[in-house]
Amino acid sequence: DGGITQSPKYLFRKEGQNVTLSCEQNLNHDAMYWYRQDPGQGLRLIYYSQIVNDFQKGDIAEGYSVSREKKESFPLTVTSAQKNPTAFYLCASITSSNVYQPQHFGDGTRLSIL
Amino acid sequence: ELKVEQNPLFLSMQEGKNYTIYCNYSTTSDRLYWYRQDPGKSLESLFVLLSNGAVKQEGRLMASLDTKARLSTLHITAAVHDLSATYFCAVEHGDSNYQLIWGAGTKLIIKP
Repeated sequence: DGGITQSPKYLFRKEGQNVTLSCEQNLNHDAMYWYRQDPGQGLRLIYYSQIVNDFQKGDIAEGYSVSREKKESFPLTVTSAQKNPTAFYLCASITSSNVYQPQHFGDGTRLSIL
Repeated sequence: ELKVEQNPLFLSMQEGKNYTIYCNYSTTSDRLYWYRQDPGKSLESLFVLLSNGAVKQEGRLMASLDTKARLSTLHITAAVHDLSATYFCAVEHGDSNYQLIWGAGTKLIIKP
């Protein structure tokens, strides 16, 4: 079955540590997104990528970095510069051949500070 | 700045009742999406509304879009406990066909 796989499901970060969240899709989608969700809040866009080797900052990119070396993969690194990383992180994708389709989401990674 | 406002943010209702969730947005957009999120889970797409006057229905949920009023509604008919969830609307960003701006969500609790 096609879908988006996020790992790990839970992640703990120590002070000063960088951590990387994985997002892999086998939907052959072109565009991929990373969102952050805080408790009781909506989604905020961190980064997005429309094609391989290209990505753009969203509204809250500071303290995060991404890469898009392969079409199916869009990992997110939460750097030590992100002082308040505790949140639920969601990866999504969409095909550019039919932009009227909704974004498809992975199951999310819950990140906490140790 | 594009803003998407949902109301109410929290709704507790009895089974069997009808209610409407509202989604207002601040700029012109012809595409609006409704999603459902269960506690601790990811988001599931419910409806895609692509033009003025669009109406979509699935079971006890019906969504509509009025682009002139910049308003979408999600109507719940004869609510059942299984519809308890948080509902989000999202509007496509005018500068990019790929970006969505999200409402804060409406947490719906349906009591038996």
